Amino acid sequence: DAGVIQSPRHEVTEMGQEVTLRCKPISGHDYLFWYRQTMMRGLELLIYFNNNVPIDDSGMPEDRFSAKMPNASFSTLKIQPSEPRDSAVYFCASSSMDRVREKLFFGSGTQLSVL
Amino acid sequence: SQQGEEDPQALSIQEGENATMNCSYKTSINNLQWYRQNSGRGLVHLILIRSNEREKHSGRLRVTLDTSKKSSSLLITASRAADTASYFCATDPSGSARQLTFGSGTQLTVLP
Repeated sequence: DAGVIQSPRHEVTEMGQEVTLRCKPISGHDYLFWYRQTMMRGLELLIYFNNNVPIDDSGMPEDRFSAKMPNASFSTLKIQPSEPRDSAVYFCASSSMDRVREKLFFGSGTQLSVL
Repeated sequence: SQQGEEDPQALSIQEGENATMNCSYKTSINNLQWYRQNSGRGLVHLILIRSNEREKHSGRLRVTLDTSKKSSSLLITASRAADTASYFCATDPSGSARQLTFGSGTQLTVLP
């Protein structure tokens, strides 16, 4: 199994631009999570999906952030327009309710820099 | 605010020594988990301890949980340079990993 795959690994963009982060969860996992990691706030849960349906988006900081999961093998996190304070590492994670449901499998993250 | 707070924030030891990291939390939990993060990588699950357990072992890892004090500790015995990483505790109130709350982490450096 390839694990959770995120792209791109690094993204540098200018303030005001649209940013799209991508995630492919582990095959068979029915939960997908988006986290953000910063030095100041640590790891924060932004949103999670179950069977492609958004369940809790209370961690999404602003309307500039949106996430979709069009199918079981793909999710996107979009920031439009981006701001310098959005600079962080964004992680995608997945888990399975049928197996090892209590632990998360993380991707390698996307390092986002907004100039 | 962070549910779990690790202590110390940073720890530097010699190879072969033991490393102990502590985690305190505020609300009730179903389980507590420890994750490792190598530089530039994602988090990797290490070990899970349930609220009705007091101690758990996995290889060179030993985790303890004191629910009365709302604290946990992670002990890494006979440390190796490859153990250099950040270690995070994560509290799970429901046992489903849907609302994991991560602490701020302990940066462990193991010197060869």
